[in-house]
Amino acid sequence: DAGVIQSPRHEVTEMGQEVTLRCKPISGHNSLFWYRQTMMRGLELLIYFNNNVPIDDSGMPEDRFSAKMPNASFSTLKIQPSEPRDSAVYFCASSLADREYEQYFGPGTRLTVT
Amino acid sequence: GNSVTQMEGPVTLSEEAFLTINCTYTATGYPSLFWYVQYPGEGLQLLLKATKADDKGSNKGFEATYRKETTSFHLEKGSVQVSDSAVYFCALSARTGGFKTIFGAGTRLFVKA
Repeated sequence: DAGVIQSPRHEVTEMGQEVTLRCKPISGHNSLFWYRQTMMRGLELLIYFNNNVPIDDSGMPEDRFSAKMPNASFSTLKIQPSEPRDSAVYFCASSLADREYEQYFGPGTRLTVT
Repeated sequence: GNSVTQMEGPVTLSEEAFLTINCTYTATGYPSLFWYVQYPGEGLQLLLKATKADDKGSNKGFEATYRKETTSFHLEKGSVQVSDSAVYFCALSARTGGFKTIFGAGTRLFVKA
């Protein structure tokens, strides 16, 4: 059974460009989480969805960040415009709605903004 | 608010040494507690969990006991292997007006052969 799939695995872009990160959760999971990991701030929850509906986006740093989940098998995290301080590893995770503590993480997307 | 504090790393041990990584938490209500492990270049994986006081979670030789009186959930392993080298995250989850898992800062473990 495939795990959480993220693409791309690595992204290098210039400041000011739009970046779109993609995630396919595990089939049958109905909760999806986006995290950001940096050395300075550790692992931060950005937003999570339940049944495709955003439940808590209080961790989204600013209006440049947006996330969508158009269906149960796909989510995107968009940064527009990107800035060097957005450089981080972005993880997507999914879980069953009644077992949200048991999250399955994807391999992450390493974003570098120059 | 809820928070998790774990010992700073890195922790460097020789193979077959005993491992303890300390974790304490602050939470309202009765959270569930977890340890996740992150191997190089990978996402986090759930290692073990405990959902109520005095529960002991265990997996792959690792153990942690939910101690409500000391608000702790220390990770232990009797004999570490080189393959245990990774970053370990203590975490809690609680339903207080919504769900959120709070992760500690992570503790990097190096095991030398």
